Amino acid sequence: ETGVTQSPTHLIKTRGQQVTLRCSSQSGHNTVSWYQQALGQGPQFIFQYYREEENGRGNFPPRFSGLQFPNYSSELNVNALELDDSALYLCASSSLADAQNYNEQFFGPGTRLTVL
Amino acid sequence: ILNVEQSPQSLHVQEGDSTNFTCSFPSSNFYALHWYRWETAKSPEALFVMTLNGDEKKKGRISATLNTKEGYSYLYIKGSQPEDSATYLCAFLSYSGGGADGLTFGKGTHLIIQP
Repeated sequence: ETGVTQSPTHLIKTRGQQVTLRCSSQSGHNTVSWYQQALGQGPQFIFQYYREEENGRGNFPPRFSGLQFPNYSSELNVNALELDDSALYLCASSSLADAQNYNEQFFGPGTRLTVL
Repeated sequence: ILNVEQSPQSLHVQEGDSTNFTCSFPSSNFYALHWYRWETAKSPEALFVMTLNGDEKKKGRISATLNTKEGYSYLYIKGSQPEDSATYLCAFLSYSGGGADGLTFGKGTHLIIQP
């Protein structure tokens, strides 16, 4: 069973630039969620994708957007980067059809984004 | 905005001692409470998903209890070992009538086991 993978591991961007982070879900999972963990905070929910459509979103502005592909891989795009976007970005996959799992998340190792 | 609190923020425990820490969450619209263990340089790993008031779960030396009426969960580690050193996160899942909810995480308890 292949786990959740993310790329790149680290990334440095400057303010105003755009960035794309990538995630490959665990085999058999049809749902992917993205979380932002700023320093000293717990992970914060950005959004969730199911069957290639966004079906839940946290308190993040529209410049945070995403895509989910037919093979259940996913991208997180952030436009007009701000200094406060510096954080660890975690991707997590789950199986929404499994009513018993109560949205148990399987996490990747994260991408560390630094905005200068 | 949902508020999930964890205490203490950090904890140093001698190897062999037992320990516990707390997660507080809203007592309304409860759907599930998750516990994750996050070791340095690794991915967060699910420990327990708890759904029923009074639920108790156990995995080896680690166990958890749940009180949904008062909004708290305890995580217990018996006979701590160095490999238990990690950040322990709890996350609250609210009920929204079938809509997709993300988890609301606490800030975590950072546990260090001292040999």
